[in-house]
Amino acid sequence: AQTVTQSQPEMSVQEAETVTLSCTYDTSESDYYLFWYKQPPSRQMILVIRQEAYKQQNATENRFSVNFQKAAKSFSLKISDSQLGDAAMYFCAYRSLEYGNKLVFGAGTILRVKS
Amino acid sequence: DGGITQSPKYLFRKEGQNVTLSCEQNLNHDAMYWYRQDPGQGLRLIYYSQIVNDFQKGDIAEGYSVSREKKESFPLTVTSAQKNPTAFYLCASTASTKIAKNIQYFGAGTRLSVL
Repeated sequence: AQTVTQSQPEMSVQEAETVTLSCTYDTSESDYYLFWYKQPPSRQMILVIRQEAYKQQNATENRFSVNFQKAAKSFSLKISDSQLGDAAMYFCAYRSLEYGNKLVFGAGTILRVKS
Repeated sequence: DGGITQSPKYLFRKEGQNVTLSCEQNLNHDAMYWYRQDPGQGLRLIYYSQIVNDFQKGDIAEGYSVSREKKESFPLTVTSAQKNPTAFYLCASTASTKIAKNIQYFGAGTRLSVL
């Protein structure tokens, strides 16, 4: 079974600075998808970014980018120019192509943004 | 507006009582999911359904039941057999499990507490 590990329970960043959230996963599959979801205090889950394992190029969405290291099974999220609205819980998630879209989530990292 | 509606937002259960959480989507999505979120843990899959009149157990199905009589509706019943039901429950949907890149969209959640 796949597992996802987020080793940083909590992180802090100064407004306008850059922060990186870590995620590692364990799988024997060669093809899969990885996601970062954001959960603000409203608790609404919002997709931040998605990475396809067969693509070597790292995904980017505006201020959000990933560092995908397939061999190391690492999938970190970099947030540039941090804003107060980025404060949230961030979840890393794995989806196997074999099991019909089920997501396996990490435990989450709370990101605090200081003004 | 298209989306996923969960109700109620807050729910209280008495000992020995069954309660049902509602999830409705108007996105015309085929697949629907129920997740449980506990403090300090990521989301864990309870049940999922890929098509009408069919559903599968997730990782923590014991003490829960579901039905999928209509494409747009996937209610979750928390039975008296679930001894620790206090948690935040999230419903999600995706267009099709056959398309690997499809994203899961989430409702706003239901907070269930035991009286």
